[in-house]
Amino acid sequence: RKEVEQDPGPFNVPEGATVAFNCTYSNSASQSFFWYRQDCRKEPKLLMSVYSSGNEDGRFTAQLNRASQYISLLIRDSKLSDSATYLCVGSYGNKLVFGAGTILRVKS
Amino acid sequence: DGGITQSPKYLFRKEGQNVTLSCEQNLNHDAMYWYRQDPGQGLRLIYYSQIVNDFQKGDIAEGYSVSREKKESFPLTVTSAQKNPTAFYLCASRRTGTGERIGVRGIYNEQFFGPGTRLTVL
Repeated sequence: RKEVEQDPGPFNVPEGATVAFNCTYSNSASQSFFWYRQDCRKEPKLLMSVYSSGNEDGRFTAQLNRASQYISLLIRDSKLSDSATYLCVGSYGNKLVFGAGTILRVKS
Repeated sequence: DGGITQSPKYLFRKEGQNVTLSCEQNLNHDAMYWYRQDPGQGLRLIYYSQIVNDFQKGDIAEGYSVSREKKESFPLTVTSAQKNPTAFYLCASRRTGTGERIGVRGIYNEQFFGPGTRLTVL
């Protein structure tokens, strides 16, 4: 079983829609989690950090459920520019473990 | 501007050749990392370094080597022993230490990435 698992998608949604991604992790020792956004053929860029139960930044909300070992990312009012791959990432000591990513396509 | 640079952006190598990928950062971060990314897969850790003159193997270190002679620089050499070197290589750095983040005291874990190098073996 992979340490961090995500639904690969793609999620195809219309502009303005609300979309949620889930991510499960197997190692309960993880100290914190992150969502990174990766555009096609580009490097990952940090979207949100989740150190406690959750975090909110504008249209983006991340929630962490340690009992069930999953993290979610909610995107409200989707924009065309939100189209990307979203990477769920867990931290273990000095290292990060990456999920394979969930593809989001927002269409007009 | 502070950031991480990688060069070259694209690299073509013949089988049997060693190549070195450059990674430089001016963020004053202590820790640096090398990953490779293959299509449809998550990033996999090759090597990492927490401090100058020290580095550790990651999950897929075979066929790779690194050095950390300066805080700013963490070059990766892809040797001829690496069986499937064609991939997207990403370098990252992380600030070490502790601090308050959104009301939670803890260590900094976020990593920041350079633009990557696409290596193709011909």
